[in-house]
Amino acid sequence: NAGVTQTPKFQVLKTGQSMTLQCAQDMNHEYMSWYRQDPGMGLRLIHYSVGAGITDQGEVPNGYNVSRSTTEDFPLRLLSAAPSQTSVYFCASSYELAGRETQYFGPGTRLLVL
Amino acid sequence: AQSVTQPDIHITVSEGASLELRCNYSYGATPYLFWYVQSPGQGLQLLLKYFSGDTLVQGIKGFEAEFKRSQSSFNLRKPSVHWSDAAEYFCAVGLISGGYQKVTFGIGTKLQVIP
Repeated sequence: NAGVTQTPKFQVLKTGQSMTLQCAQDMNHEYMSWYRQDPGMGLRLIHYSVGAGITDQGEVPNGYNVSRSTTEDFPLRLLSAAPSQTSVYFCASSYELAGRETQYFGPGTRLLVL
Repeated sequence: AQSVTQPDIHITVSEGASLELRCNYSYGATPYLFWYVQSPGQGLQLLLKYFSGDTLVQGIKGFEAEFKRSQSSFNLRKPSVHWSDAAEYFCAVGLISGGYQKVTFGIGTKLQVIP
């Protein structure tokens, strides 16, 4: 199994540009999440999905969109990039075991918005 | 709302010394508790987790953590640190909300290991 994969690894955007961060998992996990990691702030949840066709907002959803058309893929879309979105983005997936989750993280995407 | 506090942003220990990383949480009930490790440029890897039962939890890489309900703490320990343990460590709390689990992370503790 490849686990959780993310593309691209690095990206530089100009303010106002849009882009999609890709995330895929091959473990047949129902739950998938997007986090951003900023210095001194730990990981903050952007959006999450509990299955294909079901998504919900996390702690910091503004400026981001998600969709979940398949179990495997959970792309994150930046609609109009802003410098405040410069961050490292992690995708995670998890299985449910009696309501308990262990999350598996991808390697991250480093995004710089100029 | 649930919250996680890691009071030590940076810790330095000598190789071979013991280690304890602190984690306190704020939540009305006993949540699910996790410790993750992040090596530079890498994603997070689960070290151990606590859901219920024995309050002393064993994890990978020789780590253990003890849940203390009275102190709302879930401190991570290792008896003898190796240079390869240098990384950033995150405590996390899971809450069931609307039938789904949401996880809140602490800000992390960066561990430096000196010879």
